Amino acid sequence: EDQVTQSPEALRLQEGESSSLNCSYTVSGLRGLFWYRQDPGKGPEFLFTLYSAGEEKEKERLKATLTKKESFLHITAPKPEDSATYLCAVQAPGGGADGLTFGKGTHLIIQP
Amino acid sequence: DGGITQSPKYLFRKEGQNVTLSCEQNLNHDAMYWYRQDPGQGLRLIYYSQIVNDFQKGDIAEGYSVSREKKESFPLTVTSAQKNPTAFYLCASSLGQGLHEKLFFGSGTQLSVL
Repeated sequence: EDQVTQSPEALRLQEGESSSLNCSYTVSGLRGLFWYRQDPGKGPEFLFTLYSAGEEKEKERLKATLTKKESFLHITAPKPEDSATYLCAVQAPGGGADGLTFGKGTHLIIQP
Repeated sequence: DGGITQSPKYLFRKEGQNVTLSCEQNLNHDAMYWYRQDPGQGLRLIYYSQIVNDFQKGDIAEGYSVSREKKESFPLTVTSAQKNPTAFYLCASSLGQGLHEKLFFGSGTQLSVL
């Protein structure tokens, strides 16, 4: 069974303190790995798609990287508005958008 | 602005009652989805639809029903057979249903049992 594990479950940082969130997966033949951001009481918002090991994508203070076993979401000099839950999802072979497996998320708090 | 609208934001269900959650999109997307989100768990797929008048069960379809009579609309009914309905329900859409399709989500409906 495909599994996605995100760590840590929660992370509290000071403003400007850089760190990384982890998403490890056990899907064979990964077709795509997605990162979403979810604010409290809202739906997730798409951030990145990564397709193959070695790939990197950046958006503002966020950079996502991918290896054969895991993905990292690096956050550089975070601001309070980066506080949210970050979700990772993987797409298995033969699976379309209906074949996504989501992790439980990392709840990130950035303190001023 | 294009997007997905879910209503109501909060919904309460009485014992033995069926309730319907609304989902409308104006993105002209073909595929639509319903997910359930529980605290401490990943999103789980309830139902999805690739085209009008067709839909498929997801991982946790028991106790739920859907319809897709219009491209823009994909309502979800939580039936009395669903014994643990309290959760945050998310509707999503994608342009197609192929590989690497990113999902666009609505703002969710919080369903609670009275």
